[in-house]
Amino acid sequence: DAGVTQSPTHLIKTRGQQVTLRCSPKSGHDTVSWYQQALGQGPQFIFQYYEEEERQRGNFPDRFSGHQFPNYSSELNVNALLLGDSALYLCASSFGTGGYGYTFGSGTRLTVV
Amino acid sequence: QQQVKQSPQSLIVQKGGISIINCAYENTAFDYFPWYQQFPGKGPALLIAIRPDVSEKKEGRFTISFNKSAKQFSLHIMDSQPGDSATYFCAASSRRRARDDKIIFGKGTRLHILP
Repeated sequence: DAGVTQSPTHLIKTRGQQVTLRCSPKSGHDTVSWYQQALGQGPQFIFQYYEEEERQRGNFPDRFSGHQFPNYSSELNVNALLLGDSALYLCASSFGTGGYGYTFGSGTRLTVV
Repeated sequence: QQQVKQSPQSLIVQKGGISIINCAYENTAFDYFPWYQQFPGKGPALLIAIRPDVSEKKEGRFTISFNKSAKQFSLHIMDSQPGDSATYFCAASSRRRARDDKIIFGKGTRLHILP
């Protein structure tokens, strides 16, 4: 049983560019949450998708947007990249509501130069 | 505003010793308190979790102690082993509304167990 799959694993982008990160949830899960983890810090909640809609959003600018597809997979898009966007981006999947049973992927390491 | 405060930032413990990590929270709406373990290059993995209606939960060598009145909870790792060396995060969430159930993480504790 595959867990949460994220792609790519590493990415280098230039300031001002746009990036798309992808996440496939664990089998049986229908909710996807995205987190940003800066070096040496705890994960920070970006937003959560359920039934193809953004259900919750953390304190992140509109440059961060997302999408959930009918097969529950999800994308995170970041526009106009800043150096400060360099971080590990984690996807977590779960079933339905509640923080129970969050399963995290190994993340995408984004470096902005 | 940091809703979950974690200490210490780093911890060194001898093999066989007890590792203790502490957390405090502010939001009384939180009703689920998980601990996550993260190894380098990996995502966080759920270690153990507790709800505020119990004061202690034990799973193997890992124990959560919970003090609702003080809004504090802690992780104890008994008989610490070198394989326990990782970063540990306390976290909290509220289940009362689906739209508020995001998990809020502490800043993490880097634990190193000396062989």
